[in-house]
Amino acid sequence: TQLLEQSPQFLSIQEGENLTVYCNSSSVFSSLQWYRQEPGEGPVLLVTVVTGGEVKKLKRLTFQFGDARKDSSLHITAAQPGDTGLYLCAGVVQAGTALIFGKGTTLSVSS
Amino acid sequence: DAGVIQSPRHEVTEMGQEVTLRCKPISGHNSLFWYRQTMMRGLELLIYFNNNVPIDDSGMPEDRFSAKMPNASFSTLKIQPSEPRDSAVYFCASSFGTSGRIAGEQYFGPGTRLTVT
Repeated sequence: TQLLEQSPQFLSIQEGENLTVYCNSSSVFSSLQWYRQEPGEGPVLLVTVVTGGEVKKLKRLTFQFGDARKDSSLHITAAQPGDTGLYLCAGVVQAGTALIFGKGTTLSVSS
Repeated sequence: DAGVIQSPRHEVTEMGQEVTLRCKPISGHNSLFWYRQTMMRGLELLIYFNNNVPIDDSGMPEDRFSAKMPNASFSTLKIQPSEPRDSAVYFCASSFGTSGRIAGEQYFGPGTRLTVT
C-alpha cells in the first residue's frame, strides 16, 4: 500500500491549459515537499509546505497543503512545454524520519 | 558547486556479478540517502545515513544489498550477487539537517542506471 497516492498518474495537455495534480494520504504529515524530475536527472525541490491550509506560489505554480495536513495539490496555470516532467510529492510523517515519496504524476505539455 | 556526484552513470552487468555504486555528497551536508527508482514501484528509499551512521536500512531489499559511508564525503551501495530484478535507476541524495518536523531539502545526484542481464 502506497502511503502517498498521487493522481492522475499521467497527464497530457496542450500549452496554455491549466491543470491540478493531487497528493493524498490517510496519514498526517509534519511537512510535505513537491519535487520535479526531468528525464535523465534527479528530482529537484520546488517547495516545502508545513502549516495546514498553507498556500505557496512559485510563478505559475500554486501549492496547497490541506487543512488536516493529509493532502496537497499542485496547480499549474497556463502550462508550458518546459513544465514537462515527473512531479513527486514527499512527506515526513514523524519528526526526524526520512521523506516518503509518492509515485508521481508524469506531465507532458505539448506546444 | 559540483552538486551530488554519482558514478558510474550507467552500468550493465551480468547476473551474479558484483556491482558497486558510488556517491559523493555535497560538502557540509550531514545526511545521505540511497534510493531506487522503477516505473512499477516509484522512488523507494533504501537506506539513509546521518553523520555517517546508518539510521534506517529497512528499505534494503535483501542481504545482497549493502551500503557504507566511511567518511562524510563518500558512500557506496553494493549489490552482490546482482540479479535482473535489480535493474533500476539508483539515486543518491544529500541534505543538511533532518531533525524536527521539517525535512531538509534533498539534493539528488544524476543517478546510476543499472541493467543486469
